Amino acid sequence: AQSVTQLGSHVSVSEGALVLLRCNYSSSVPPYLFWYVQYPNQGLQLLLKYTSAATLVKGINGFEAEFKKSETSFHLTKPSAHMSDAAEYFCAVSDSDSGYALNFGKGTSLLVTP
Amino acid sequence: DGGITQSPKYLFRKEGQNVTLSCEQNLNHDAMYWYRQDPGQGLRLIYYSQIVNDFQKGDIAEGYSVSREKKESFPLTVTSAQKNPTAFYLCASRRGTEAFFGQGTRLTVV
Repeated sequence: AQSVTQLGSHVSVSEGALVLLRCNYSSSVPPYLFWYVQYPNQGLQLLLKYTSAATLVKGINGFEAEFKKSETSFHLTKPSAHMSDAAEYFCAVSDSDSGYALNFGKGTSLLVTP
Repeated sequence: DGGITQSPKYLFRKEGQNVTLSCEQNLNHDAMYWYRQDPGQGLRLIYYSQIVNDFQKGDIAEGYSVSREKKESFPLTVTSAQKNPTAFYLCASRRGTEAFFGQGTRLTVV
């Protein structure tokens, strides 16, 4: 089955600083990759997705991610953090073996300090 | 507005009781999914259904059951056989490559 690994369960940045959340995937075929954001006691909201069209993917709220096959990575970035970015972020891969269900990483909690 | 509705948002049950979580969608999606979320463990797949009257077990199906009698509905029953049912449960449906999530149900078993 395809899987993803998120490096760092907690990341802290200052407001205005660069946000970098790391995700590496394990797949023998070109994967469909996703980043989701979750606010406390809420469902998940799609930030962006990679479906083999362009390697640099732009999403909502100023986030973007770059698919790097040589590094099997799909890291999420934002040039300047805002207080409202504090949330839980999940990287996920679509698994064709289970009806294209999503296999999620364990999540990264982003803290933004003033 | 189209979307996925999970109800209730909070649910409390006594140990040993079965409980059913509701998931309804009006997006006309064929595929639907149930996930369980625990702190620090991400989301894990319980069951999924790709078409009406058909469903498959996910990674952690033990102690759970589902039905898919209508396209719009995919209820999840947490049975007394589930050893640790307290968790946040999320339902999703899929169109193409994109999944859409409900707001979740937080189940607490006391």
